[in-house]
Amino acid sequence: KAGVTQTPRYLIKTRGQQVTLSCSPISGHRSVSWYQQTPGQGLQFLFEYFSETQRNKGNFPGRFSGRQFSNSRSEMNVSTLELGDSALYLCASSPSMGGGFQETQYFGPGTRLLVL
Amino acid sequence: AQSVTQLDSHVSVSEGTPVLLRCNYSSSYSPSLFWYVQHPNKGLQLLLKYTSAATLVKGINGFEAEFKKSETSFHLTKPSAHMSDAAEYFCVVGTLKGKLIFGQGTELSVKP
Repeated sequence: KAGVTQTPRYLIKTRGQQVTLSCSPISGHRSVSWYQQTPGQGLQFLFEYFSETQRNKGNFPGRFSGRQFSNSRSEMNVSTLELGDSALYLCASSPSMGGGFQETQYFGPGTRLLVL
Repeated sequence: AQSVTQLDSHVSVSEGTPVLLRCNYSSSYSPSLFWYVQHPNKGLQLLLKYTSAATLVKGINGFEAEFKKSETSFHLTKPSAHMSDAAEYFCVVGTLKGKLIFGQGTELSVKP
């Protein structure tokens, strides 16, 4: 099976712009979670989508949003970019909702966003 | 609340010597615990996971971890380090809502 794919792999934006990142889960997986990785804050949970519905949300401002399509692919959007949004954004998929408790979450390679 | 603490931010070993990466957790219920590895400019790969079946968990590439409830620890070990083991390692606790809570990471260096 193909793994989790994320596009684009690298992105450069300027402050105030918005950005959309895409994640395609492993075939058959219905849950997609997003994480932000920065040197200062480490890895932090953004949100989880299952069956096109946001099921869980981390402690991030409303500028961070996402959605999931009927084929389980997910997009994450960040509006009004700030310098502090520069990070590696990772998505992970698992077969069921709440996969992080007992099931394995499988991670993609990430999208590295640089905000200038 | 769930939390996890990795006791060393950086560990350096010589090739062929044992590896010990330390992790303590806090959980109000029986936890799910994971170790993930991240090589430079790569995503996260699961090494092993504990879900209450057995306290000694064997993972990929010769790694294993032992769940010790009395010590609230889940240390990662490998008998003999290889150069390819150089990477960042994350101890992770799973929550009932499904999100993962990551430790701050331990960078492992392997000297020839």
